[in-house]
Amino acid sequence: GDSVTQMEGPVTLSEEAFLTINCTYTATGYPSLFWYVQYPGEGLQLLLKATKADDKGSNKGFEATYRKETTSFHLEKGSVQVSDSAVYFCALSKGSWGKLQFGAGTQVVVTP
Amino acid sequence: NAGVTQTPKFQVLKTGQSMTLQCAQDMNHEYMSWYRQDPGMGLRLIHYSVGAGITDQGEVPNGYNVSRSTTEDFPLRLLSAAPSQTSVYFCASSPPGLSTDTQYFGPGTRLTVL
Repeated sequence: GDSVTQMEGPVTLSEEAFLTINCTYTATGYPSLFWYVQYPGEGLQLLLKATKADDKGSNKGFEATYRKETTSFHLEKGSVQVSDSAVYFCALSKGSWGKLQFGAGTQVVVTP
Repeated sequence: NAGVTQTPKFQVLKTGQSMTLQCAQDMNHEYMSWYRQDPGMGLRLIHYSVGAGITDQGEVPNGYNVSRSTTEDFPLRLLSAAPSQTSVYFCASSPPGLSTDTQYFGPGTRLTVL
């Protein structure tokens, strides 16, 4: 079946450091790929998405490129802030009605 | 718009008790779903609905029931709570039809079963 694998956390960084969170997927067909973020005590919210190969999603300084050849969708940010501390989930969806298949989540902690 | 709302925020149950987790959305979304979040496992789909009167099972449906009598509401029922159902539960909704659509999540219900 379809699955999403992302790097384990927690990832601890200093403010202004570069962040990468690796995400790879296994799926038949042509899934859409998403990054959702969960801030402490809140529900998930969409961070960015890409719907076809080579698409780049971007939002709030975060970027991820849909790489079909490596089945990857790695999340990057060039300079993190304390406010980026959260849990980040990689997910895929395909077919109609968009049921999401999530990775396990990666906790990111940014210290001043 | 209030978006997706869930009640209660926290709940403690004893083994064998039943309860209903409420979910409502005011965005006129056809698609609604319930997920549970467990450490190290991400979110797993429990049940989903593609419109009023239509529901189906997700990845982990055992021990849970749902119904969808209106577009706005999608309650999740625990029939006989077990410690394995201790989790954080999220409701989500989205417009119909496309896998590219964003899903909108509620704030969650943290359930503890003793």
